[in-house]
Amino acid sequence: EDKVVQSPLSLVVHEGDTVTLNCSYEVTNFRSLLWYKQEKKAPTFLFMLTSSGIEKKSGRLSSILDKKELFSILNITATQTGDSAVYLCAGLIQGAQKLVFGQGTRLTINP
Amino acid sequence: GAGVSQSPRYKVAKRGQDVALRCDPISGHVSLFWYQQALGQGPEFLTYFQNEAQLDKSGLPSDRFFAERPEGSVSTLKIQRTQQEDSAVYLCASSLGGSPQYFGPGTRLLVL
Repeated sequence: EDKVVQSPLSLVVHEGDTVTLNCSYEVTNFRSLLWYKQEKKAPTFLFMLTSSGIEKKSGRLSSILDKKELFSILNITATQTGDSAVYLCAGLIQGAQKLVFGQGTRLTINP
Repeated sequence: GAGVSQSPRYKVAKRGQDVALRCDPISGHVSLFWYQQALGQGPEFLTYFQNEAQLDKSGLPSDRFFAERPEGSVSTLKIQRTQQEDSAVYLCASSLGGSPQYFGPGTRLLVL
């Protein structure tokens, strides 16, 4: 059975801290790993990682995929209160196109 | 439109009622997906369309759930004889196929 596991499930830090969110996966016919940010309803796309070892960056956020060890991390530096959200990672299954999501990490940034 | 839109945003149904949830994908996106998200959980796949063809419906939890996309654009997810366990947020996403899936705001369904 395809499975994606995120850790920690919940994280509370102070503004300005750096955080690392973890995602491990066991997905047959794996194609890509995606990260989303969910604040209210709609998950907002952050990154799509297909190749191992290539870091993707967007401002203070960055992510990398390790296809040998089957995990990905999402880093957020100099956190701000607006970064408070649930962060979801998902494995994209080749052919079937569907996403298998983890449970999410609830990140809270305190001022 | 600029993004995926869904309607209604909120729906309260009495147990046993039928409901219909609508999704308008991003213009030109051939792939459309429905997911169900329970409180505190990640979204779970329900079904997938490529244009008007329903290529995967393996995630539909029962035969009370039915989805269609007759003209390859707008899609409707119908739930017949709703049960309390159907209460969840129903998310629609679209993509160009192989590209990231972009999600709509969801419909929060509460079955009383």
